[in-house]
Amino acid sequence: EMMLTQSPGTMSLSPGERATLSCRASQSVSSTYLAWYQQKPGQAPRLLIYGASSRATGIPDRFSGSGSGTDFTLTISRLEPEDFAVYYCQQYGSSPLTFGPGTKVDIK
Amino acid sequence: EVQLVESGGGLVQPGRSLRLSCAASAFTFDDYAMHWVRQAPGKGLEWVSGLSWNSGSIGYADSVKGRFTISRDNAKNSLYLQMNSLRAEDTALYSCAKGRGSGTYGGHAFDIWGQGTMVTVSS
Repeated sequence: EMMLTQSPGTMSLSPGERATLSCRASQSVSSTYLAWYQQKPGQAPRLLIYGASSRATGIPDRFSGSGSGTDFTLTISRLEPEDFAVYYCQQYGSSPLTFGPGTKVDIK
Repeated sequence: EVQLVESGGGLVQPGRSLRLSCAASAFTFDDYAMHWVRQAPGKGLEWVSGLSWNSGSIGYADSVKGRFTISRDNAKNSLYLQMNSLRAEDTALYSCAKGRGSGTYGGHAFDIWGQGTMVTVSS
């Protein structure tokens, strides 16, 4: 099973700041089958990024994804108040599909 | 509006069974892979199971293999999860999710999620 590690576990930032979230896989993610999701309390997860760097429909361009192999990054260029949430990475290239433990972005 | 609505959750005793359903609407259900994902209270996301558009490709998490069975009825735009031999550690919110593409159950991120149905396993 491919393990995903996310860091940091929590980050405290202010609106307007840049957020850089990391996701590291225990083995190479095939064909960049790496996604990022945002989840707010009481809500279903929302797909932000797929294929490591492609934004999903309707996702603002302040969200960007990068990386390949075992190291991936989600960057939020300027945090908006609605961006404070938990972010999960997921690999969907090898079974079982797995999620990282999440990074919580909270307001400083 | 594209929508997934889960049902069938509830309180069940350890060792018993439960069947979850997921009703899809406003998209061509039989074009896409589908999945079940669970989230224990206060915890992260865990993929449970997925299947391809034609049920020809099916996968399970190790934690549920041999106890849970995923299926779909494309004529009814519905996804199911039969859960047997339930354990306390299966307590979670179970959500269905749509894959972005068809083909095998892997290879596609999940672009539509339901709100989930809660399963509590307790005596």
